[in-house]
Amino acid sequence: QSGLTQPPSVSGAPGQGVTISCTGSNTNIGAGYDVHWYQQVPGTAPKLLIHGNTNRPSGVPDRFSGSKSGASASLAITGLQAEDEADYYCQTYDNSLRGSKVFGGGTRLTVL
Amino acid sequence: QVQLQESGPGLVKSSGTLSLTCSVSGGSFRDYYWDWIRRPPGKGLEWIGSIYHIGRTKYNPSLEGRVTISLDTSGNQFSLKLNSVTAADTAIYYCVRAGTGAESRNWFDPWGQGTLVTVSS
Repeated sequence: QSGLTQPPSVSGAPGQGVTISCTGSNTNIGAGYDVHWYQQVPGTAPKLLIHGNTNRPSGVPDRFSGSKSGASASLAITGLQAEDEADYYCQTYDNSLRGSKVFGGGTRLTVL
Repeated sequence: QVQLQESGPGLVKSSGTLSLTCSVSGGSFRDYYWDWIRRPPGKGLEWIGSIYHIGRTKYNPSLEGRVTISLDTSGNQFSLKLNSVTAADTAIYYCVRAGTGAESRNWFDPWGQGTLVTVSS
């Protein structure tokens, strides 16, 4: 089971904005480790969306932004487009059990 | 740019060993961590383990004892072996390049396209 909690699903109409939360604990996000976000469109491999809490790789639209506070992080998507319909995952490092990389359970975004 | 490609049997018998190879092109193994990640049907992503370019490994505690990741730098490949598989190991398996520097700061990019492995009884 993941040590990071995400809502199973979120939805929004085209043009609107949504936020996906990722809640951790004092062994992962709360310990100061960076949070990264991935987008997985059905039938394709995951793609890096945000690294180091707030940084967008080249080619990722600025409609996507990340933030982190305490033991939680968030991914905000503005100006929703049909192509944003996908699964979104947060990922970080957990220092319990000799240390390991961990994912959130994933959030399915539906564009209405 | 770096590209990764998984290969291996798509069907493995229950209690057998799952073996996959990841071929890396367009880049060097040096200084990076190289990881395996899987996604079971209907579930989320699960980190399996990683290997550093000097051969140091770390595994998901839930899989430790069954998993081995190895590196073939001369062949630009790294491999995954998972023993004593059950239906719960049926998943799409991805190989990925993780970061450099501190392992605790790693993110995953790029990803291979993934390969479906089904465990049959």
